[in-house]
Amino acid sequence: KQEVTQIPAALSVPEGENLVLNCSFTDSAIYNLQWFRQDPGKGLTSLLLIQSSQREQTSGRLNASLDKSSGRSTLYIAASQPGDSATYLCAAPNTGNQFYFGTGTSLTVIP
Amino acid sequence: DAGITQSPRHKVTETGTPVTLRCHQTENHRYMYWYRQDPGHGLRLIHYSYGVKDTDKGEVSDGYSVSRSKTEDFLLTLESATSSQTSVYFCASSSGGIDTQYFGPGTRLTVL
Repeated sequence: KQEVTQIPAALSVPEGENLVLNCSFTDSAIYNLQWFRQDPGKGLTSLLLIQSSQREQTSGRLNASLDKSSGRSTLYIAASQPGDSATYLCAAPNTGNQFYFGTGTSLTVIP
Repeated sequence: DAGITQSPRHKVTETGTPVTLRCHQTENHRYMYWYRQDPGHGLRLIHYSYGVKDTDKGEVSDGYSVSRSKTEDFLLTLESATSSQTSVYFCASSSGGIDTQYFGPGTRLTVL
């Protein structure tokens, strides 16, 4: 069974700082790695999907990288803003079409 | 964003009663999923569907059943609710089994 871990569980940074969120997984036989954002009391919103054959994917101020061999993905957020405050989750689908989610990193960006 | 709605959004029920949660999507997605989210556990898959009348179990399927009679609707039933099933339930859909998932707003279920 795939185990997905996210460190740190919580992070508080001042506005404008660049930051990195980490995601590790135990089974490298993944099709892709997905990053989601969850605001309090809301559902998840997809941010980025990195195919297993890709090394990174970018969307605006977000950049996600994937290293299958080491079982790691990172989400880089540039020039953080208070509106970035949310919980960020990563997920990896396995061959059985089942997604395994990490428990997330709760980010607070202080104005 | 995909149009996914869940009903009800909040429900309080008593132990032993049956409960059905409904998920409706307007994207004609083939795959649909039910998750529960609990503190310390993250999202865990309960059941998923890969087509009308085609379903399979997820990681935490005990005590739950599902049905999908139409592409757009996916029902989750708790036959006899227990306090351990108090949780926030999310529905999601995707066009393929490994594609981006689009989530509904969630249903907060409390079993007393």
